[in-house]
Amino acid sequence: AQTVTQSQPEMSVQEAETVTLSCTYDTSESDYYLFWYKQPPSRQMILVIRQEAYKQQNATENRFSVNFQKAAKSFSLKISDSQLGDAAMYFCAYRKGGATNKLIFGTGTLLAVQP
Amino acid sequence: NAGVTQTPKFQVLKTGQSMTLQCAQDMNHEYMSWYRQDPGMGLRLIHYSVGAGITDQGEVPNGYNVSRSTTEDFPLRLLSAAPSQTSVYFCASRVGEKLFFGSGTQLSVL
Repeated sequence: AQTVTQSQPEMSVQEAETVTLSCTYDTSESDYYLFWYKQPPSRQMILVIRQEAYKQQNATENRFSVNFQKAAKSFSLKISDSQLGDAAMYFCAYRKGGATNKLIFGTGTLLAVQP
Repeated sequence: NAGVTQTPKFQVLKTGQSMTLQCAQDMNHEYMSWYRQDPGMGLRLIHYSVGAGITDQGEVPNGYNVSRSTTEDFPLRLLSAAPSQTSVYFCASRVGEKLFFGSGTQLSVL
């Protein structure tokens, strides 16, 4: 069975600094997708970034980038130039490739941004 | 274009009561799903649907029923609410690799 592990329940970063959130996963599949979702206090789930397993290049979206280590089954999120609005719960998620609707989430990391 | 709309936003039930959480999307997405979010456990899949008339169970389906009579609507029914069903419920629709979430329903069962 696939699992997603986020070992950091809480993290803190100073405004304008860089922070990295960790995520590891376990799967025997070769075709899959990985995601980072942000959940601010409004409760809305917002897709931050996604990575296709078959792509070696790490995904980037503005200040957000990932370090995808397929052999190590690691998928960390780096937030550069942290802003107060980045404070939220962050979830790592996995989806097997193909016609499946099942997204497996980690337990989340609560990120605080200090002014 | 409203996206994914969930109602109600908050609900309090007594043990044994029944209710339906509504979910509607106006993006013509075939895939829809229901998740529950509990502290320390992330989001877990309850039921999902790959199109009108087709539904299937996720990780934690017990105590919940779904139906999908139209592409737009995917209601979640609690037939006899239990305190263990106290949670935040999210409906989502998907196109390609992008999942669109509703704003959630916070349910308390006393």
